[in-house]
Amino acid sequence: DTGVSQNPRHKITKRGQNVTFRCDPISEHNRLYWYRQTLGQGPEFLTYFQNEAQLEKSRLLSDRFSAERPKGSFSTLEIQRTEQGDSAMYLCASSRTPGSPYEQYFGPGTRLTVT
Amino acid sequence: GQQVMQIPQYQHVQEGEDFTTYCNSSTTLSNIQWYKQRPGGHPVFLIQLVKSGEVKKQKRLTFQFGEAKKNSSLHITATQTTDVGTYFCAGSLNNAGKSTFGDGTTLTVKP
Repeated sequence: DTGVSQNPRHKITKRGQNVTFRCDPISEHNRLYWYRQTLGQGPEFLTYFQNEAQLEKSRLLSDRFSAERPKGSFSTLEIQRTEQGDSAMYLCASSRTPGSPYEQYFGPGTRLTVT
Repeated sequence: GQQVMQIPQYQHVQEGEDFTTYCNSSTTLSNIQWYKQRPGGHPVFLIQLVKSGEVKKQKRLTFQFGEAKKNSSLHITATQTTDVGTYFCAGSLNNAGKSTFGDGTTLTVKP
C-alpha cells in the first residue's frame, strides 16, 4: 500500500493560465474524490468518480474546472483560466466500494498559488 | 444544501485536560465520519458512525452519533501533545457517495 499520491505538490501560476493536477489513488480503490481546502476551512467537495464514471460534480464548481479518470485508475483535475480565488490546496482521496466507501484516504495535496 | 457545523472553532487545553468537539448537521445523516489533520498534513480517517445513538471508542477517543442522526461528538480524555491538530466531521446523506465536511475544531495542547 503506497498510499494516495499527488503531483505536483506545489504549483505557482499566473492568472489566466491553465493548470493540471494528477492523483494516483490506492491501487485497489475504485472511488476517487477531489476536494479543495483553504486555510481554516474543511475540505470542500468538488467531484468524485467510481471507476471511470464521474458520478457527481459540485454545483459550486465553475465550468473552468474539469476532471477525468479515463481508465479508472489515476485522475486529473484541470483548471482553465486560473483566477486568484483558485489559490488553495487541492486534495485527492480514494476509497473502496463495496466495503468502506466513506473511509477516505487522502493524498498530500497540491498547493496552488495564482499570482 | 446540506450544512455541517462544528464547535468550537478552536480549543486550547493544558495537557491532561479533556477535550470535546461537537458536530451538527442541518439534515438527518446516513452516517458520519471523523478525520484528524495535523498541522501541515492531510486529513486522516479516524472512524465512521452509522447507527442512531452509536458510541465507539478508540483508546482515549470516544465518538458518539446522536439519536436523531443529526449530531455527533468526539471526546478526548486526558489530552496529550500528540493530539494536536484539527478534527473534522464529515456527514453523508442517503448513502450518497460524497461527504460534506465541517470546518473543524483546532486543538492545541500546552505541555
